[in-house]
Amino acid sequence: EVVLTQSPGTLSLSPGERGTLSCRASQSVSSSYLAWYQQKPGQAPRLLIFGASSRATDIPDRFSGSGSGTDFTLTISRLEPEDFAVYYCQQYDRSPWTFGQGTKVEIK
Amino acid sequence: EVQLVESGGGLVKPGGSLRLSCAASGFTFSNFGMNWVRQAPGKGLEWLSSISSRSNDIYYADSVKGRITISRDNAKNSLYLQMDSLRAEDTAVYYCARVFHGLDYWGQGTLVTVSA
Repeated sequence: EVVLTQSPGTLSLSPGERGTLSCRASQSVSSSYLAWYQQKPGQAPRLLIFGASSRATDIPDRFSGSGSGTDFTLTISRLEPEDFAVYYCQQYDRSPWTFGQGTKVEIK
Repeated sequence: EVQLVESGGGLVKPGGSLRLSCAASGFTFSNFGMNWVRQAPGKGLEWLSSISSRSNDIYYADSVKGRITISRDNAKNSLYLQMDSLRAEDTAVYYCARVFHGLDYWGQGTLVTVSA
């Protein structure tokens, strides 16, 4: 099983700041099969990034993904008030598909 | 508009069974793989199961293998999750999600509570 470890657990930032979230895999993951999701309280997750770096439909360009192999990053260039949420990475390269434990981005 | 609507959740006693449904609309259901994902209260996302468009490829998480069965009925645009031998730790919101470059559409979830 591919274990995904996200860091930090919580990221305290102010609106307008840059956020950098990390996702490290226990074994190599094909870049084509790494996704990032955003989840707000009481809502279902929303796909942000697929294939490690491709934005999903209607996702603002302040969200970007990068990385390969075992190290992946989600960057939010300038945090907007609506971006404060929990973010999960997921690999869908091989079964069982797995999620990271999440990074909470909170208002500082 | 793509819509996924889960149903069938509720309160069940330990050892009991439940069948969740996910009604799909707004897309050609038979062309897409589907997944079930759950989230325990205050916890993260846990992938449970995947089924291909024609049901020929099915996968389960080790944590639930043997206790759950995923299935679909393409004629009814519906996805199902049969859950048996339920435990307190199965208490969670259960989501269905469409497979396309990851999980691109999710339902709103249905809450399953396992308690005596």
